Amino acid sequence: TQLLEQSPQFLSIQEGENLTVYCNSSSVFSSLQWYRQEPGEGPVLLVTVVTGGEVKKLKRLTFQFGDARKDSSLHITAAQPGDTGLYLCAGGIYGGSQGNLIFGKGTKLSVKP
Amino acid sequence: ETGVTQSPTHLIKTRGQQVTLRCSSQSGHNTVSWYQQALGQGPQFIFQYYREEENGRGNFPPRFSGLQFPNYSSELNVNALELDDSALYLCASSPGDRGTDTQYFGPGTRLTVL
Repeated sequence: TQLLEQSPQFLSIQEGENLTVYCNSSSVFSSLQWYRQEPGEGPVLLVTVVTGGEVKKLKRLTFQFGDARKDSSLHITAAQPGDTGLYLCAGGIYGGSQGNLIFGKGTKLSVKP
Repeated sequence: ETGVTQSPTHLIKTRGQQVTLRCSSQSGHNTVSWYQQALGQGPQFIFQYYREEENGRGNFPPRFSGLQFPNYSSELNVNALELDDSALYLCASSPGDRGTDTQYFGPGTRLTVL
């Protein structure tokens, strides 16, 4: 069974601070996606990374895929209250009956003004 | 371009009842996946449909079943509801036959089983 472990589970910080969220697995994934989810809504895709070692930047958010494609990180610079939400990583596995996304449990981020 | 829509938004049922949840995929998308998200957890894959055929299934019992229609909309049916079935049910559509293509989620249906 493929599992994705996210850490930390909860994070409460002040506006302007930096933070890093981690997503780890013992399995290799063909792609890794990061989503943000607000209460009562569906997850919204932030980024997809597919190449080991890949780094993608989205304004103040930096995403990295590990060289071995088993782990990923999300770094937020100068966090703002609008960044508050549940951050989910999801690993992609191609082929057969496992053509689906494996989600982590998420990191619940709260940014206080 | 219309995004993924789901109905109803909220639903309350009692144990033993049956429920049908509906999803309209994003325009041009022929693959639909269903997920169950319990409170405080990440989404868990239920099954996926591609061009009206089941294309993968997660670790859910047979009382969870689905359909995909020629217009690529989809239904999730759950029979003999149990208390643990209370969750947010998410539908996601994607443009290809690979379930791990970028998936676009709907807002979900919140099911409460009493």
